[in-house]
Amino acid sequence: QVQLVQSGAEVKKPGASVKVSCTASGYTFTNYYIHWMRQAPGQGLEWMGIINPSGGSTTYAQKFQGRVTMTSDTSTSTVYMELSSLSSEDTAMYYCAKRGVVGSTAFFDYWGQGTLVTVSS
Amino acid sequence: AIQMTQSPSSLSASVGDRVTITCRASQGIRNDLGWYQQKPGKAPKLLIYGASSLQGGVPSRFSGSGSGTDFTLTISSLQPEDFATYYCLQDYNYPWTFGQGTKVEI
Repeated sequence: QVQLVQSGAEVKKPGASVKVSCTASGYTFTNYYIHWMRQAPGQGLEWMGIINPSGGSTTYAQKFQGRVTMTSDTSTSTVYMELSSLSSEDTAMYYCAKRGVVGSTAFFDYWGQGTLVTVSS
Repeated sequence: AIQMTQSPSSLSASVGDRVTITCRASQGIRNDLGWYQQKPGKAPKLLIYGASSLQGGVPSRFSGSGSGTDFTLTISSLQPEDFATYYCLQDYNYPWTFGQGTKVEI
């Protein structure tokens, strides 16, 4: 069965960076894009960007341009999301999600369990 | 970026009620819209894709409609397990954008 397993919770100081992993299993890793979203406490969902695990091409939300880096490691079926220059506003649950496609329609059919990143001095 | 305006932001309903949630896009997005359900402490779950296609395993009481800028999620007969927050998501172009969510409460 398809699974996305994310790394554990992180506590970081302002100004630091965090790197969250998302390891996929149960499908051909290189065939499907992975997206990253985040959700601040009590807030809605925010799309951060997308990576094509085959080749590593990325598209980032403008809000995170220059601060986010998404990479993939096909040998371990793992994608990474690194966010730098953290502030308290980056405290959130971070999710990876697999993109599914039916015809020309795309959607998130599988999600990771989430990784809580807390930024605090 | 395309803005998705979801309404209402919250609603109170009873088991057996018919519930309707709407989502409006700031520009036409064809039928490139999905609906997701999120329960506290859990990742979202796909309900509807392509505006009206039911994801496998999702109960048939959930349905979606709409095209262009106006979309609707309907729960025909609310069940206890349906109390959750619902989000629309446009996948027409990047950045993909979510509605602000609708919390369905008892």
